[in-house]
Amino acid sequence: SQTIHQWPATLVQPVGSPLSLECTVEGTSNPNLYWYRQAAGRGLQLLFYSVGIGQISSEVPQNLSASRPQDRQFILSSKKLLLSDSGFYLCAWSDGRSGNTIYFGEGSWLTVV
Amino acid sequence: RKEVEQDPGPFNVPEGATVAFNCTYSNSASQSFFWYRQDCRKEPKLLMSVYSSGNEDGRFTAQLNRASQYISLLIRDSKLSDSATYLCVTREYGNKLVFGAGTILRVKS
Repeated sequence: SQTIHQWPATLVQPVGSPLSLECTVEGTSNPNLYWYRQAAGRGLQLLFYSVGIGQISSEVPQNLSASRPQDRQFILSSKKLLLSDSGFYLCAWSDGRSGNTIYFGEGSWLTVV
Repeated sequence: RKEVEQDPGPFNVPEGATVAFNCTYSNSASQSFFWYRQDCRKEPKLLMSVYSSGNEDGRFTAQLNRASQYISLLIRDSKLSDSATYLCVTREYGNKLVFGAGTILRVKS
């Protein structure tokens, strides 16, 4: 069966510090991969999605970047965090062929102070 | 106008009650529809897909009205464990998923 794992689960970072969130998927090949952010009381906002290694699409202009160095690895980064980057970050995957249903990782809570 | 709109609630209902959530979407080209459940401080999990003919999974019934661009979720015989936020989701061309902000349900004994 397929599993998705992301880490760290929780982090508190000062303004201006870098960020790296990692996500891996097991049990499937060539998945579609996604990074979402959920601010308090708001819906999920798609940040990035990837249909293959090195292929990244950005949905909104922001202070963040994403990379996909391996087929089942997706990384969310920032060089300098802003207060507004605080939120709940979710990695997700869907089947690369049908892509119909999306499955989420456990999420990472980021607080920028 | 939001792409997917939901009443944020909260809906406070007693155990055993029947409760219904509604959702409207703005993109008439949306291809697939889902309900996700999200517990407090957890990731969303797929509850059920929504089909044009309507579908049922145990105590849960989902309906889709493409003409009105309207999706519903009915929960019968509510349990305490049903307390959560319910997210309405549409899938657009190119596998883009659009999430509503969610409806909070609180089931009380």
